[in-house]
Amino acid sequence: TQLLEQSPQFLSIQEGENLTVYCNSSSVFSSLQWYRQEPGEGPVLLVTVVTGGEVKKLKRLTFQFGDARKDSSLHITAAQPGDTGLYLCAGPDNYGQNFVFGPGTRLSVLP
Amino acid sequence: EAGVAQSPRYKIIEKRQSVAFWCNPISGHATLYWYQQILGQGPKLLIQFQNNGVVDDSQLPKDRFSAERLKGVDSTLKIQPAKLEDSAVYLCASSPPPREQFFGPGTRLTVL
Repeated sequence: TQLLEQSPQFLSIQEGENLTVYCNSSSVFSSLQWYRQEPGEGPVLLVTVVTGGEVKKLKRLTFQFGDARKDSSLHITAAQPGDTGLYLCAGPDNYGQNFVFGPGTRLSVLP
Repeated sequence: EAGVAQSPRYKIIEKRQSVAFWCNPISGHATLYWYQQILGQGPKLLIQFQNNGVVDDSQLPKDRFSAERLKGVDSTLKIQPAKLEDSAVYLCASSPPPREQFFGPGTRLTVL
């Protein structure tokens, strides 16, 4: 069974600070996706990374896929209160049919 | 484009009662998923439909959970009878080819 671990589990920072959250597995994934979930809502896809070593930028968010495709990171520059939420990583299982989700990192950005 | 619709948004029931959730996916999306998200955890897949056929229901507790997707559009997920540990948010998602999933807002179930 492919598992995804995320760290830290909780993160509380002040507005303007930078942060990095991690998604790790002992298994190789063909791709990884990052989602943000706000309270009372479903997850919203932020990005999909598919190539080992790939870096994608989305405004103040930078996503990196590890060379071995077993890990990924999300870096947020100058965090804002609007970045508050649960950040989930997910990847397709061995059969490519379904997604396995990590437990998430719950981020709180204080004004 | 309208998103994935789910109802109800909230439901409170007592244990051993029955409950049903409804999902209307994005028009044209062939694949539909039901996930269970327990507080503090990531979503866990319960069942995946491709049109009106089941692709994967290996993690669906079939003694109490059932789901159907008649006509390959709307879907319902039923729990009968409910247990305390079923308290969770039930998320529906749909996707066109290739794979990006679009989630609905979820139904928050509380079992007392």
